[in-house]
Formats: sequence, structure tokens, C-alpha cells
Amino acid sequence: KQEVTQIPAALSVPEGENLVLNCSFTDSAIYNLQWFRQDPGKGLTSLLLIQSSQREQTSGRLNASLDKSSGRSTLYIAASQPGDSATYLCAVSMDSSYKLIFGSGTRLLVRP
Amino acid sequence: DVKVTQSSRYLVKRTGEKVFLECVQDMDHENMFWYRQDPGLGLRLIYFSYDVKMKEKGDIPEGYSVSREKKERFSLILESASTNQTSMYLCASSPTEPQHFGDGTRLSIL
Repeated sequence: KQEVTQIPAALSVPEGENLVLNCSFTDSAIYNLQWFRQDPGKGLTSLLLIQSSQREQTSGRLNASLDKSSGRSTLYIAASQPGDSATYLCAVSMDSSYKLIFGSGTRLLVRP
Repeated sequence: DVKVTQSSRYLVKRTGEKVFLECVQDMDHENMFWYRQDPGLGLRLIYFSYDVKMKEKGDIPEGYSVSREKKERFSLILESASTNQTSMYLCASSPTEPQHFGDGTRLSIL
């Protein structure tokens, strides 16, 4: 059974730092991997989607990488800002049914 | 922009009640999903639907049922609410991926 783990569970950094959030999964036969952002009391917003054949995706200050063989993905946030404070969730899909398996998230606080 | 609307942000019900959570999307998406989110457990899939009147069980369907009579609306039903169903419930829709989420319903069962 696929399990998705995110470490650390919480992270606090000063504004301007570059940071890396980690996601690992136990079954490497994934269909794709997504990173989401969740603000307190809100739903999820999709940030980046990486297909199983891709190595990375970029959007603005965000870069997500995927290493299927080692069961790992990282989300890199450049020049962090207080507005980046949120919980970041990683999720994998095992097939084209679009069902997602989520990690528990990393709660990020960027201090001014 | 895709809009997924959940009918209630907060809901308080009593044990044994039949509870309906409603979700509506405005983009003609085939796929709709219901998740619950609990601290330390993350999001877990309850049910999903890939077409009108079609449904499939997710990872934790026990105690829940769903209804999809129209493409834009997906309802989650707690047949007889219990305290262990107190949680945040999130609805999502998608044509393929990524999924678009509503803001959630925080449900408390007393």
C-alpha cells in the first residue's frame, strides 16, 4: 500500500531564505505527483504537477523535482516571503483514476 | 476560474442524525471527490465519482454514502452520524488533473 511521508512536519525560516520541503513515497510506480498549498481554514490550491516521465516542474519561485526510483520529491521555494506561510501537501496518483494519496503536510512559517 | 462550492463552512449535528454535505462545481468536470482531513492523518479519500450516477469507494467509505444525480453536484451523506466523524470535509473536482478544491466543511458531531 502506498504511503506518502513529508518531513519536516513544521518549519520556521526568516524571510528571504531559500528552502526545501521533502516528500517521500514507498511505491515508486506512481502515475504523477502533485504539490498543493493549504491556507488555514481553506481548501487546497494546486501548485505543481509532475508526470511520472518528468524530472521537474517550475512555476515562478517554486521548483518541484521528482526522483521516482528513489521515491522522493522536493519542493524548492526561492527567496521565501511571509505570504508563503501555509501548509504544503504532497500527493501521488497511482493510475489514471486521479485518486490521490496525500502526505500529512509541512507547515511553513516565514518570519518577517 | 474553476469554482467548487461547499454548502456550509461549519456544521454542528448530533449523533444519530442523517447529515448531508453538498458540493457544487461550475466547470462541467466529470470527476468529483470527497475527502476528510484529520490532524496527523492528512487527507483521506472517502468516495469519488467519475460520471453522473457513478461512484466508487475510496479508502474510508464506512459510514458514508454519496449521491450524484447531476454532473455539477456531489453529495456526501452520513447515514447515522457518530462522534468519530467529526472532521474537516473537502470536496474536489477535476476534468483530469489537477484537482480543484472547495474551502471545506468543518463538521462537529456532538
